[in-house]
Amino acid sequence: QKEVEQDPGPLSVPEGAIVSLNCTYSNSAFQYFMWYRQYSRKGPELLMYTYSSGNKEDGRFTAQVDKSSKYISLFIRDSQPSDSATYLCAMSAGIGYNQGGKLIFGQGTELSVKP
Amino acid sequence: EAGVAQSPRYKIIEKRQSVAFWCNPISGHATLYWYQQILGQGPKLLIQFQNNGVVDDSQLPKDRFSAERLKGVDSTLKIQPAKLEDSAVYLCASSGGGLAGGGGETQYFGPGTRLLVL
Repeated sequence: QKEVEQDPGPLSVPEGAIVSLNCTYSNSAFQYFMWYRQYSRKGPELLMYTYSSGNKEDGRFTAQVDKSSKYISLFIRDSQPSDSATYLCAMSAGIGYNQGGKLIFGQGTELSVKP
Repeated sequence: EAGVAQSPRYKIIEKRQSVAFWCNPISGHATLYWYQQILGQGPKLLIQFQNNGVVDDSQLPKDRFSAERLKGVDSTLKIQPAKLEDSAVYLCASSGGGLAGGGGETQYFGPGTRLLVL
């Protein structure tokens, strides 16, 4: 079983739709949860970061963490064609190399938003 | 602020040949990472440097992969000899402390080097 599981998609939605991206994980030690966005032929860029359980909102993006279910989500409201990218969840148990800070990535979900 | 630079952007080689990738991290970042991203998968950490010392190389295939970070700045990753399964994007990232929102270390990624082994 992989430590982090993510539905690879691809996911295609019309412009303006609400998008839900999800990851499950098995390691209960994970405390730091991130979403990265990766455009084609580019490196990943940090989109959202959440510590422990709860919600975090940034503009059209909302990240949710449910540690009891080992489940994290990213919601995109009013999706735009410019949101078309691969979205990677990532998580770690701590901060820094000596505190379990290694990032474990999901396999990514490819999202396409059609005009 | 300049981002993480990598070169070359693309490389095609025959199996059993050798290849080297170069990375220049964001100025002042003490931590440098090399990741392997196989098509359809998330990045997998190969090696992590703190300044010029290795702190994690547990997933580096040491019989064929090597990496160095002389003087704690630039880094090179080498594969010798390459195998077909090494075809992937090799991403370099750096961090200098300070995660957006407080705590942790945000990793900034370069554009990657796409390697195709024939």
